[in-house]
Amino acid sequence: GAGVSQSPSNKVTEKGKDVELRCDPISGHTALYWYRQSLGQGLEFLIYFQGNSAPDKSGLPSDRFSAERTGGSVSTLTIQRTQQEDSAVYLCASSLNQVRTQETQYFGPGTRLLVL
Amino acid sequence: DAKTTQPNSMESNEEEPVHLPCNHSTISGTDYIHWYRQLPSQGPEYVIHGLTSNVNNRMASLAIAEDRKSSTLILHRATLRDAAVYYCILRDDNYGQNFVFGPGTRLSVLP
Repeated sequence: GAGVSQSPSNKVTEKGKDVELRCDPISGHTALYWYRQSLGQGLEFLIYFQGNSAPDKSGLPSDRFSAERTGGSVSTLTIQRTQQEDSAVYLCASSLNQVRTQETQYFGPGTRLLVL
Repeated sequence: DAKTTQPNSMESNEEEPVHLPCNHSTISGTDYIHWYRQLPSQGPEYVIHGLTSNVNNRMASLAIAEDRKSSTLILHRATLRDAAVYYCILRDDNYGQNFVFGPGTRLSVLP
């Protein structure tokens, strides 16, 4: 079946512009996660959704970052007034049910963001 | 989250077994041990997970020490496609937390 998809696959923007990154989770998965990965670094947790609610926003690096999820499906990560340090690969993952921690997370291919 | 410690890098020859170690001396009784790997330019993918008993699947085996303070991911016959960063992650069954990814082990497979 279809896996997690993300769009765009690559995004180049100018400093100060806003960007929106989209994630389509696997159908039926109630939990959705956003991570980012800077060049040569490990994954940094940003936020997760259980349904449309975001119980844990602790990983968002600043108030320029926000995320929403509608209909328990698609999620959008928005970065306002982008800075060069926002350049990274933004990864989305979904799992069937976040509460059960044995659940496997399925990752998308990521969106490569470059802020000039 | 309980922390894990992995070697930064390891090297293996193609067709040989690979043992990737992970130390987690502060593991709690409800922590599951998960392994993911990340191939170049891709998102991480699930490899295997376990709690107390050794686990086998089509990709790998997971050997968990009796005291659960360490575990080893075993690739029985390394292929060039297995070259990736391997992450050992603990996740508490009581709290439903996100995964905390450390730097992982970069595995190189030599032909």
